[in-house]
Amino acid sequence: DSGVTQTPKHLITATGQRVTLRCSPRSGDLSVYWYQQSLDQGLQFLIQYYNGEERAKGNILERFSAQQFPDLHSELNLSSLELGDSALYFCASSVVADPPTDTQYFGPGTRLTVL
Amino acid sequence: AQSVAQPEDQVNVAEGNPLTVKCTYSVSGNPYLFWYVQYPNRGLQFLLKYITGDNLVKGSYGFEAEFNKSQTSFHLKKPSALVSDSALYFCARNAGNMLTFGGGTRLMVKP
Repeated sequence: DSGVTQTPKHLITATGQRVTLRCSPRSGDLSVYWYQQSLDQGLQFLIQYYNGEERAKGNILERFSAQQFPDLHSELNLSSLELGDSALYFCASSVVADPPTDTQYFGPGTRLTVL
Repeated sequence: AQSVAQPEDQVNVAEGNPLTVKCTYSVSGNPYLFWYVQYPNRGLQFLLKYITGDNLVKGSYGFEAEFNKSQTSFHLKKPSALVSDSALYFCARNAGNMLTFGGGTRLMVKP
């Protein structure tokens, strides 16, 4: 158990809908990262937040957004869902923001199925 | 772009034999390299990382990895494979704020 929690574990929804994925980082970690794992794209970085502020953006669609709250939990919002958004969404956390030597610890993921 | 590659989609090994899962990285930038393992319906678990120093890095569950600068490789190894090691293994590189992952290698350990 990494100490990173994600809810829900599974989510099934329809095209065009909007969903929210939630992540709580490990105690003491200030950085939260979101990744998407799909069969065709592999594991891709989406976005990072550090202590409430957006720090880095990757291959995140404009239909997706995220935020980190004062208690450091983070939410990933996915809107106007398409079939291709079906994937496993991971949250990870680490202590610091920038040093690339920092280890990211991953949650169990949320499996999103768009029908 | 700073990237990693895993040349093998699948590696098969008999229980008790040594295993190697290969990873190569692009030359540009500092090679901060990581190995993660993913079991079915689970998240990624951190195994080990190379930052600097000793080229042989020891990690969790008896795994180790050898950093080779001349060959730009960071292969994951274990002296004696267990059936329970069967999983999906990812090599990753941190070039700043994000991890860039290889495509993954499925390790199958047969009894």
